[in-house]
Amino acid sequence: NAGVIQTPRHKVTGKGQEATLWCEPISGHSAVFWYRQTIVQGLEFLTYFRNQAPIDDSGMPKERFSAQMPNQSHSTLKIQSTQPQDSAVYLCASSLADTLYFGAGTRLSVL
Amino acid sequence: GDSVTQTEGQVTVSESKSLIINCTYSATSIGYPNLFWYVRYPGEGLQLLLKVITAGQKGSSRGFEATYNKEATSFHLQKASVQESDSAVYYCALSDMSNYNVLYFGSGTKLTVEP
Repeated sequence: NAGVIQTPRHKVTGKGQEATLWCEPISGHSAVFWYRQTIVQGLEFLTYFRNQAPIDDSGMPKERFSAQMPNQSHSTLKIQSTQPQDSAVYLCASSLADTLYFGAGTRLSVL
Repeated sequence: GDSVTQTEGQVTVSESKSLIINCTYSATSIGYPNLFWYVRYPGEGLQLLLKVITAGQKGSSRGFEATYNKEATSFHLQKASVQESDSAVYYCALSDMSNYNVLYFGSGTKLTVEP
């Protein structure tokens, strides 16, 4: 079991460019979560899916951010027109019950 | 909304000494939240250390303990004798009845254990 896999580990984009982050959950886990971590805000919940259906996106910024889960083996977080304040570590987690298993994260740097 | 407060951003303790990392919480939903401690060791991903879902109960793992105190709305993490290998960042978290699937995290406490 490789755990939750996130790619890329590091991504650098220029202001205004698009960034797509990938997550492969643990096989058999029914829920996938996205969190964002910054020094100022800490760990913030963004959104989650259960059985591929979007359940709660209350933490997602209303503009420029979107998440999809087209199949049970991966989820994506897309940020359009990236801004310097989007720089953060984006964490994906999957779960079967109430324990979350986190990936190593993608560090996004917007220049 | 729900929130978790960890007052210490960094803690340094000498090996074999005792440790307490403070955590208090506020949950808006009726009923009692589930409480968790997660840990990130250097170079590793965030992982569950322990959880308690019943008020008044104690959870334990790897020598760490935390008691769910609903009167004080606290869930402090304690260890009687720390080791260098305990050096890590510790996060307190909760999920509440409105959505037990979503965790809300504290800001984290970086523990450094000195030899």
